[in-house]
Amino acid sequence: GENVEQHPSTLSVQEGDSAVIKCTYSDSASNYFPWYKQELGKRPQLIIDIRSNVGEKKDQRIAVTLNKTAKHFSLHITETQPEDSAVYFCAASSGYSTLTFGKGTMLLVSP
Amino acid sequence: NAGVTQTPKFRVLKTGQSMTLLCAQDMNHEYMYWYRQDPGMGLRLIHYSVGEGTTAKGEVPDGYNVSRLKKQNFLLGLESAAPSQTSVYFCASRNTGREQYFGPGTRLTVT
Repeated sequence: GENVEQHPSTLSVQEGDSAVIKCTYSDSASNYFPWYKQELGKRPQLIIDIRSNVGEKKDQRIAVTLNKTAKHFSLHITETQPEDSAVYFCAASSGYSTLTFGKGTMLLVSP
Repeated sequence: NAGVTQTPKFRVLKTGQSMTLLCAQDMNHEYMYWYRQDPGMGLRLIHYSVGEGTTAKGEVPDGYNVSRLKKQNFLLGLESAAPSQTSVYFCASRNTGREQYFGPGTRLTVT
C-alpha cells in the first residue's frame, strides 16, 4: 500500500516568514495530493490539493508543488500569520477511493 | 445543511464494553470513511464505504466493525473495547469530487 512520510514534525516561524512542509510518497500510481489544516480541537479541513498532471498550484499565500519523478510534494505558506498556526497533514491517493495521510506537522507562528 | 455530524462527542468506556459511533451526512455523498487520530500518528483509515450497503477495510480495521444500511449513515462498532482504542475518531464523506469533508470528531476513552 501507499506510505506517506511528512517532515518536519514541528515547525516554528516568525510572523511574516515563509514555511515549507515536505512529503514523500511510495506509490508511483498516486495521482491526487491534498493538504489538510487542523486547528486545535477542530476537524481537518482541505486547504489546497494538486493532481498528478500539474506541477504547481497556488491559492493566495498557499502553494503546493509536486515532483512526480522524485515522488515528493511540498506545501509553501508565505507571509505567515498567527492564524496559520495549526497541524497540517499531507495525503496521497493511489486509488480513487482512499487517502493515506502523513503524520502531520505542527506549525507555530509567533507574533 | 448540517454537513457531517457525529454522535456522541465524548464517551468513556470500560474495557470489554461495546458501543456504536454514528456518522450522518446530509450531502448525499456516496463515500464515507472512519479514521482514528492518535498523537503523532496522523489520521489512519479504519473502514470505508463506497456506497449504500458496501464496506471495506482500511489500514487499521482490527477490533472494529461497520455498517452502511442507509446512504446517509455510517456506523462504527466496537464489540469489546480495549485501552488501545482510546483515540479521537473522525468520520468523513465525499462524492465524486476528491475532497473529504470531516465531522467534528468523537473523543473515546477506554479505561
